[in-house]
Amino acid sequence: EAQLLESGGGLVQPGGSLRLSCEASGFSFSRFSMNWVRQAPGKGLEWVAYILGSGSTKYYADSVKGRFFISRDNAKNVVTLQSNSLRVEDTAVYYCARNYDSSGFKAFDIWGQGTVVTVSS
Amino acid sequence: DIQMTQSPSSLSASVGDRVTITCRASRSISSWLAWYQQKPGKAPKLLIYEASTLESGVPSRFSGSGSGTEFTLTISSLQPDDFATYYCQQYDTYWTFGQGTKVEVK
Repeated sequence: EAQLLESGGGLVQPGGSLRLSCEASGFSFSRFSMNWVRQAPGKGLEWVAYILGSGSTKYYADSVKGRFFISRDNAKNVVTLQSNSLRVEDTAVYYCARNYDSSGFKAFDIWGQGTVVTVSS
Repeated sequence: DIQMTQSPSSLSASVGDRVTITCRASRSISSWLAWYQQKPGKAPKLLIYEASTLESGVPSRFSGSGSGTEFTLTISSLQPDDFATYYCQQYDTYWTFGQGTKVEVK
């Protein structure tokens, strides 16, 4: 069974950094593009970042561009989101999600359970 | 950027009701649209992709239709497990979600 498990969330002060990780299991990880999606408390879903299976292509939402960086280690089946210069408005549950196909713009068929990031002084 | 607008934002319905949720895109997205169901404290679950293709394991009471800029999600006979929030998502160009539609008990 395909599964995703996020970790690394926590409480951080404005301007701080966090490194979120998502460990995949049950599928051929390197074949699939991966994403991070977030959901602020009581709000809707916001796509944050994308990375191709090979790691060669990355996209970011304008709200995080230049502050967040996505990467992956296909040998360890892990995708990572390095979040820098955090703002109060980055407070959210962060989900890792798999594209249902190998590349391009596709829907997200597998989601992790989420990790909570709270940015507050 | 492509904006997605869902209506209504919330609705009240009873078990057995037929429920329809609409999603409009700010420009044509062909059929690159997905629907998700989310329950409180849980991750979203993919229901439908490419506007009308049912994800494996999703009950057939869920259906999707539309293309271009206007799309609908229909639940033919609402079941107790279906009370949740539903989101549309375009994936024509990057990814954008609608604001959600909460389906509540009447």
